[in-house]
Amino acid sequence: SQQGEEDPQALSIQEGENATMNCSYKTSINNLQWYRQNSGRGLVHLILIRSNEREKHSGRLRVTLDTSKKSSSLLITASRAADTASYFCATDAIGTYKYIFGTGTRLKVLA
Amino acid sequence: DGGITQSPKYLFRKEGQNVTLSCEQNLNHDAMYWYRQDPGQGLRLIYYSQIVNDFQKGDIAEGYSVSREKKESFPLTVTSAQKNPTAFYLCASSRGTEKLLFGSGTQLSVL
Repeated sequence: SQQGEEDPQALSIQEGENATMNCSYKTSINNLQWYRQNSGRGLVHLILIRSNEREKHSGRLRVTLDTSKKSSSLLITASRAADTASYFCATDAIGTYKYIFGTGTRLKVLA
Repeated sequence: DGGITQSPKYLFRKEGQNVTLSCEQNLNHDAMYWYRQDPGQGLRLIYYSQIVNDFQKGDIAEGYSVSREKKESFPLTVTSAQKNPTAFYLCASSRGTEKLLFGSGTQLSVL
């Protein structure tokens, strides 16, 4: 059973616009991470937010975490065509190393 | 340079055959993971290992086996009991509950 569910499943925007994707999970967690995957390749780590943090920034990325709602959002500002990829959230349940991934959001940025 | 290496990149399995996917890391990471990804889908956890000589089943372990005899190595065997093995297989490692570092993946197909 996948712990994370993401929405939307697919998102298409124009270059320069902001992209927001959401992740929901089911159990208490140590941290939540976001990853990016270009077609047919391995995943690349983007950002990690711990359960006691509410917001984190890294370059054009902004992540929020609401543990009361068991949800997180990833905002990519001023998107570029090169941001076209699939984005996944991953969570690990407290006391385990078991990382479970969400279903992913396929982002397409049109030039 | 430290990293995680998966081989082969492409693998073909005949019916009734067991095949083994290799995953090696030189990052001194304690934890290692195997995920399966079907086209257009998220990642599903097959097995994970927190320390040498110990591993746990993930959500879809049936038809797969692993070993962790060395810290650097976590091979995955897809057995003949796995009736639908065609997928993209990703190996990852981490230090504790920090970010996962992924290999470039193995595409397994059935002849």
